[in-house]
Amino acid sequence: RKEVEQDPGPFNVPEGATVAFNCTYSNSASQSFFWYRQDCRKEPKLLMSVYSSGNEDGRFTAQLNRASQYISLLIRDSKLSDSATYLCVGARYNFNKFYFGSGTKLNVKP
Amino acid sequence: DVKVTQSSRYLVKRTGEKVFLECVQDMDHENMFWYRQDPGLGLRLIYFSYDVKMKEKGDIPEGYSVSREKKERFSLILESASTNQTSMYLCASSPSQGAQHFGDGTRLSIL
Repeated sequence: RKEVEQDPGPFNVPEGATVAFNCTYSNSASQSFFWYRQDCRKEPKLLMSVYSSGNEDGRFTAQLNRASQYISLLIRDSKLSDSATYLCVGARYNFNKFYFGSGTKLNVKP
Repeated sequence: DVKVTQSSRYLVKRTGEKVFLECVQDMDHENMFWYRQDPGLGLRLIYFSYDVKMKEKGDIPEGYSVSREKKERFSLILESASTNQTSMYLCASSPSQGAQHFGDGTRLSIL
């Protein structure tokens, strides 16, 4: 079993929709969590860190559920420019190992 | 803003050549990483370094070596390039506690 697992999608949604992705993790990847966004043929870019209390950045909300070992990303009012692959990442306690999910592809359509 | 710079965006080399990929970060980060990314396989860790002259093998170190002589610079070396090393190579750095930041990537083709 991989340390971090995601549904690969694709999620095809209309503009303006709300979409949510979940990601499950194992004990080894369980210190800190992040969401990255990766556009086609580009490098991953940090979208947001995920805090235990949940956190929000504009249209994006991240949640962590330690009891069930999953994190989630909610995107409200989807834009065409949100189309990308979203990577869920867990870090080991000393931050010298990061576990990447395989990514969830989002297509936002007009 | 964190800046991670990789020396080349695109590189074409021949089988058997020794290939050097360079990465420089400007944020005094302790940790640096080299990944490769292939379609359907996601990001795979080749090597990482948590301090100058320190290195640890990642998940797929075979055929690669690394060098970290200065804190800001982490080099990936393909000792004798082979066609199965054609890939996108991504360098990242992170502070001792914090997220990784990636360079633009190097698309390496081995002919």
